[in-house]
Amino acid sequence: EDQVTQSPEALRLQEGESSSLNCSYTVSGLRGLFWYRQDPGKGPEFLFTLYSAGEEKEKERLKATLTKKESFLHITAPKPEDSATYLCAVVPLTDLNSGGSNYKLTFGKGTLLTVNP
Amino acid sequence: EAGVTQSPTHLIKTRGQQATLRCSPISGHTSVYWYQQALGLGLQFLLWYDEGEERNRGNFPPRFSGRQFPNYSSELNVNALELEDSALYLCASSFRAGVVGFFGPGTRLTVL
Repeated sequence: EDQVTQSPEALRLQEGESSSLNCSYTVSGLRGLFWYRQDPGKGPEFLFTLYSAGEEKEKERLKATLTKKESFLHITAPKPEDSATYLCAVVPLTDLNSGGSNYKLTFGKGTLLTVNP
Repeated sequence: EAGVTQSPTHLIKTRGQQATLRCSPISGHTSVYWYQQALGLGLQFLLWYDEGEERNRGNFPPRFSGRQFPNYSSELNVNALELEDSALYLCASSFRAGVVGFFGPGTRLTVL
């Protein structure tokens, strides 16, 4: 069974204090790993997709990296507006019934990031 | 371009009643996914519809059902509501050839 574990569950940073969030995964084969940001009571907002080990993507203060077993979301000099829950999800290669490239996402429970001014 | 839309925003029901939630995908997207986000449990996959057919189903009882219409919008029905069905129900859509799911704002279902 596909599993996604995110750590830490909660992280409190001071504004400007850089850190990383971890997402470790167990899948039979990885089609893609996704990072989302979710604000309270709202739907997840897509951030990045990573497909292969060694891949990196950046967006503003966020940088996502991928290895064969885990992904990191690095936050450089965070601001209070970066406070949110960050979700990691994987799509496995095992869905043989789709006939295409649409697969369901398996999510971790998220990391609640709080950035204090 | 409009994103994924969901209605209603909030829904309050009592135990045993039925709830109907609606989702309109991004224009051009043919796949619709439904997820349940209950407190402390994270997002749980419910259903996936593509081209009007149910393609996959998560670990939920049969009282969770749905359908996809010819215009690719979708409906989630929950029968015989139970207290533990209280959650944020999220809909996502994607292109047939794409994997990324863009999520709607969700419907908050409260069962009293």
